[in-house]
Amino acid sequence: EAAVTQSPRSKVAVTGGKVTLSCHQTNNHDYMYWYRQDTGHGLRLIHYSYVADSTEKGDIPDGYKASRPSQENFSLILELASLSQTAVYFCASSRLGGHAETLYFGSGTRLTVL
Amino acid sequence: QQKVQQSPESLSVPEGGMASLNCTSSDRNFQYFWWYRQHSGEGPKALMSIFSDGDKKEGRFTAHLNKASLHVSLHIRDSQPSDSALYFCAASELTGGADRLTFGKGTQLIIQP
Repeated sequence: EAAVTQSPRSKVAVTGGKVTLSCHQTNNHDYMYWYRQDTGHGLRLIHYSYVADSTEKGDIPDGYKASRPSQENFSLILELASLSQTAVYFCASSRLGGHAETLYFGSGTRLTVL
Repeated sequence: QQKVQQSPESLSVPEGGMASLNCTSSDRNFQYFWWYRQHSGEGPKALMSIFSDGDKKEGRFTAHLNKASLHVSLHIRDSQPSDSALYFCAASELTGGADRLTFGKGTQLIIQP
């Protein structure tokens, strides 16, 4: 089964600070995604990438940047963390981007901004 | 407006019983549907997909899609305690794919031993 590893598992950050969440996949998948999960909102797509050195905006990109330095690694960057960014963040990968492709999720990073 | 709506928000079913979860889309562009399951403390995992009208069965799980009404359901027979989880319905458009998947808010399923 596809393996997607996220780090850290949890993080506490201060308002206005910079936060970097990391994701690593070992499945040779082209597509990688960052989702945010909030109670009452389900999963919402922040950024995604289909090739190294390129990223695309998802549905809620404001306040977030993404970086894909290699096929295996995908980072989510909060330059100025805010209270509203407290959430659980999931990274996912898929082989390709078609509708029949399965998303493989990591275990999540719980971010608390104080 | 939430484009993918799930009901009920929470469902309690006795062990061995049938659990039925519902999902409706308000966007006629959504044609491809997935069910994902998330156990507490873990990431979501794909359960099954359904792209054509009718039923699709995988073991104890059966999905039903009615494209005319944009309604998809998931039925779990002989429910087990391990089925207790948050279930997400997700949909993508005709012109979209995994990179444009829209998730519902989820249904929390509790299986009572």
